[in-house]
Amino acid sequence: AQSVAQPEDQVNVAEGNPLTVKCTYSVSGNPYLFWYVQYPNRGLQFLLKYITGDNLVKGSYGFEAEFNKSQTSFHLKKPSALVSDSALYFCAVRVSGGSYIPTFGRGTSLIVHP
Amino acid sequence: EAGVTQFPSHSVIEKGQTVTLRCDPISGHDNLYWYRRVMGKEIKFLLHFVKESKQDESGMPNNRFLAERTGGTYSTLKVQPAELEDSGVYFCASSQDVGGQGLSYGYTFGSGTRLTVV
Repeated sequence: AQSVAQPEDQVNVAEGNPLTVKCTYSVSGNPYLFWYVQYPNRGLQFLLKYITGDNLVKGSYGFEAEFNKSQTSFHLKKPSALVSDSALYFCAVRVSGGSYIPTFGRGTSLIVHP
Repeated sequence: EAGVTQFPSHSVIEKGQTVTLRCDPISGHDNLYWYRRVMGKEIKFLLHFVKESKQDESGMPNNRFLAERTGGTYSTLKVQPAELEDSGVYFCASSQDVGGQGLSYGYTFGSGTRLTVV
């Protein structure tokens, strides 16, 4: 079985400050990890993924995520938040060689204050 | 290129009625997925089409839900009769990856249909 936990329903951060949106996962095997973002009235957009290789993955809009195998985490980060980053963020996981259908988390609402 | 299109964007129906949701994937994407998010909860997989064939429908909640993809283009998801617990946002996604793995390109999602059953 595979699962994802996003422990925070909401994250608040001031514009210009660094942001972190947390994600931990559980899979039986090697994980493939994804972050998606949903802006208001829009579909989910693919941000970045970890498949293999370098643990630090860079994605769209200046976001990055670090794969930490020992902590089974894949936290999303950005050095300097923008008000326009305010959105709903979803972490997803699937296991290498297993079901190709990813399991999504509950989502974390990021609010960036001016 | 045009994205994944879903309509209607919102639908409010009474319990017991029928609703049909439509999804137009990105042209050329053989893989089409339906997902649902109940308020505040995870996005749950419903089913996966490869062209017109159902590859995996393990997430369909019950036989009140019927998905079709005639001709391998657009897809419809019909709920009949609708129940209160069917309320949520229904997302459609498509992918061009071979085998539907979504590894190379990720999935492209539509903006969803918000279904409210009253």
